[in-house]
Amino acid sequence: DIQMTQSPSSLSASVGDRVTITCRASQSISRYLNWYQQKPGKAPKLLIYAASSLQSGVPSRFSGSGSGTDFTLTISSLQPEDFASYYCQQSYSMPYTFGQGTKLEIK
Amino acid sequence: QVQLQESGPGLVKPSQTLSLTCTVSGGSISSGGYYWNWIRQHPGRGLEWIGYIYYSGSPYYNPSLKSRLTISLDTSKNQFSLKLSSVTAADTAVYYCARNMGGSSDSFDYWGQGTLVTVSS
Repeated sequence: DIQMTQSPSSLSASVGDRVTITCRASQSISRYLNWYQQKPGKAPKLLIYAASSLQSGVPSRFSGSGSGTDFTLTISSLQPEDFASYYCQQSYSMPYTFGQGTKLEIK
Repeated sequence: QVQLQESGPGLVKPSQTLSLTCTVSGGSISSGGYYWNWIRQHPGRGLEWIGYIYYSGSPYYNPSLKSRLTISLDTSKNQFSLKLSSVTAADTAVYYCARNMGGSSDSFDYWGQGTLVTVSS
């Protein structure tokens, strides 16, 4: 199985901050990397697919980059509704696997 | 707008079979190109992909669960189902159903709200 490792595991930031979350795959996954946002008690929501494509309806302050083994999710200017957990997921090979998550908290 | 909704018992006894159903609305489950998935999240932890069934009826299971798992499709009811046998406390989790398309933009674009299943006597 491909292991996905996110860093940091948790992050404190303020409204208006620029935030970057990193995801590393245990082997090359080309650009088969997706990002999800999850709020407490809710299902994950797709933000970014294929490493850098913004899902319809997702604000443009979210962006993704990377290929191969290293990927980043950037939020350009944090809004109050962005405080949540974020997960990366690889769709390069089966079984699909997720990162352990990054919890973004208000400073 | 596609919607998915999980249903099933919230409490299952150890060694029994966990059974859940996902009802899809806003689109046909048998329309081409989609995979219908089960994903779970242990309390306070990350996400684990369980398996999927393709619109044609072909399943694929996570090897870690394969020996206990059955995923099936009921096109007449626009539903797909999960059966996980011989459950233990380690199977306690929120279970989600989700859709993905495969290909270069393979991602889970629609999710159910999730249902908590507790394994306890």
